[in-house]
Amino acid sequence: DVKVTQSSRYLVKRTGEKVFLECVQDMDHENMFWYRQDPGLGLRLIYFSYDVKMKEKGDIPEGYSVSREKKERFSLILESASTNQTSMYLCASGSLGREDEQYFGPGTRLTVT
Amino acid sequence: GENVEQHPSTLSVQEGDSAVIKCTYSDSASNYFPWYKQELGKRPQLIIDIRSNVGEKKDQRIAVTLNKTAKHFSLHITETQPEDSAVYFCAASRNDYKLSFGAGTTVTVRA
Repeated sequence: DVKVTQSSRYLVKRTGEKVFLECVQDMDHENMFWYRQDPGLGLRLIYFSYDVKMKEKGDIPEGYSVSREKKERFSLILESASTNQTSMYLCASGSLGREDEQYFGPGTRLTVT
Repeated sequence: GENVEQHPSTLSVQEGDSAVIKCTYSDSASNYFPWYKQELGKRPQLIIDIRSNVGEKKDQRIAVTLNKTAKHFSLHITETQPEDSAVYFCAASRNDYKLSFGAGTTVTVRA
């Protein structure tokens, strides 16, 4: 049973703070993804990684960075949080070539005040 | 990049009736089309997918059809039940494992 976990379910931060969101998967998946989910906009890809230390920008990378130092862990970093980054953040992982399904974490509801 | 449009944004059906959600995509190189279901407060989960070499795929009460020429694909749910109430997302992908999602359809099944 695939498990994708995220460090927090709810997070409240102040404008300008540095925010770290962590994601861990236990299925030895090569690919990991960070999405944000907003009503009416669906799931939008922020960044993804297909290997340790490798990353690629998604559709909305501005204001975010990522880190993947270990295969099982993918971190999303908001260098200076802004109110327009208030959203639900979903991490996902998947396996290159074995199957195409992306397995999602439970999400982190981030509020920036 | 890929642009996926999904309609309708909300859908209310009587229990036992059918529900149809339609998506269009822009990148003719896309060849993988999954559908995810997200129940309230839960994570999205894959319910069915189709590849571009197949026109239709069925799994019990759900089916997906693909028209590559018109660049659209649809999800069909028959004999809807209350547990089908959820947000459904379509997505499209080329072979680079990046998924481009539609905006989602909120389906409500009325008892």
